Amino acid sequence: QSVLTQPPSVSEAPRQKVTISCSGSNSNIGRNAVNWYQQFPGRAPKLLIYYDDLLPSGVSDRFSASKSGTSASLAISGLQSEDEADYYCAAWDDSLNGPVFGGGTKLTVL
Amino acid sequence: QITLKESGPTLVKPTQTLTLTCTFSGFSLTTTGVGVGWIRQPPGKALEWLALIYWDDDKRYSPSLKSRLTITRDTSRNQVVLTVTNMDPVDTATYYCARRNYGFDYWGQGALVTVSS
Repeated sequence: QSVLTQPPSVSEAPRQKVTISCSGSNSNIGRNAVNWYQQFPGRAPKLLIYYDDLLPSGVSDRFSASKSGTSASLAISGLQSEDEADYYCAAWDDSLNGPVFGGGTKLTVL
Repeated sequence: QITLKESGPTLVKPTQTLTLTCTFSGFSLTTTGVGVGWIRQPPGKALEWLALIYWDDDKRYSPSLKSRLTITRDTSRNQVVLTVTNMDPVDTATYYCARRNYGFDYWGQGALVTVSS
């Protein structure tokens, strides 16, 4: 049971926009920055978003993120087949004194 | 160029102790704010944070596994070592090390560890 809650899967057609939610609490998302990671099968995760809504160098601007209260969301616009991957949210948890991850969301591009 | 690489046994027996080494390059673990963490992922399951060590030798552990984990660093060799005692088949997973800066911004390729007799 992950501390952060994500939908197990989402799907959308190419060229459309999809949003992945991440729900936490006041001890994590409510007080600390949210990061998002992208993971392809058999590969290591890659940092996609940091400090709630910032993109590391080299990440496509089709990815965006936001946070409100104890929830965060990742949006991917102009979906492409290459976006099919697992997406994880994460945040520092003050109660656990360490980072926590969501359960991951599998994105399928129809 | 920042790289990290995990090394260690691929197979351990139940009750044994697992020792994994993360060898990194392209950054220093003495730089203020930088840390190295360990994260694992059982087959088909989610990421789980295990331990973290910072530039000032501050150490953090997952509360659920704290009694079994030890993280240490060797700054001269650019290595971080994780030991996990009393391994069990449920500990079968890919173990990743990653640099902690703003989130885990660089990851190793991962090391699959199977626990089986």
